[in-house]
Amino acid sequence: AQSVSQHNHHVILSEAASLELGCNYSYGGTVNLFWYVQYPGQHLQLLLKYFSGDPLVKGIKGFEAEFIKSKFSFNLRKPSVQWSDTAEYFCAVNARDNQGGKLIFGQGTELSVKP
Amino acid sequence: GAVVSQHPSRVICKSGTSVKIECRSLDFQATTMFWYRQFPKKSLMLMATSNEGSKATYEQGVEKDKFLINHASLTLSTLTVTSAHPEDSSFYICSASGRARGYEQYFGPGTRLTVT
Repeated sequence: AQSVSQHNHHVILSEAASLELGCNYSYGGTVNLFWYVQYPGQHLQLLLKYFSGDPLVKGIKGFEAEFIKSKFSFNLRKPSVQWSDTAEYFCAVNARDNQGGKLIFGQGTELSVKP
Repeated sequence: GAVVSQHPSRVICKSGTSVKIECRSLDFQATTMFWYRQFPKKSLMLMATSNEGSKATYEQGVEKDKFLINHASLTLSTLTVTSAHPEDSSFYICSASGRARGYEQYFGPGTRLTVT
């Protein structure tokens, strides 16, 4: 069955700490991978995406993610978080040959950054 | 980024009534729109995929006669919750994608439905 698993439900960090949010997927085929962010009271926004090529992708606001095919993982990282990064983060996948196709989302990780 | 709106943002209805939620793509033609349901502290669950001018494709376990989806134009899709029950109370989110935007999904702000 297709699924996406995010290991951390709630992460609490102090400003300037480094961040890594785990994401693993199970999918019968090649995939596109996404990280979305939902700031409090706002709609989902795309942070970054991986379709093909360099497995290390850089997104907005200093975020990056690395696709490790052998581990079926796509972890999100940021070297130094800010209070404004407080939000809910979702990992998602869809089929490689259908970029506009339906997304399978992980459970989400709530990030709280203490000033 | 592209703008997708939803209306209403919040709605309260009585059990047994129907409620319609609109999803509009404001600045691009959305050939495909998706409807999700988000439970508290839970992920987004895809309910259905809607292609303009054709019938929606529902995910397993989603009642198509209860959640009516219409995608009559390239900028508008509607979700009608028929004969609503308290267990239908949830946060409903739409997304839109189209060729002009590289088929990336752009999400609406969501609609909070409360059925009393």
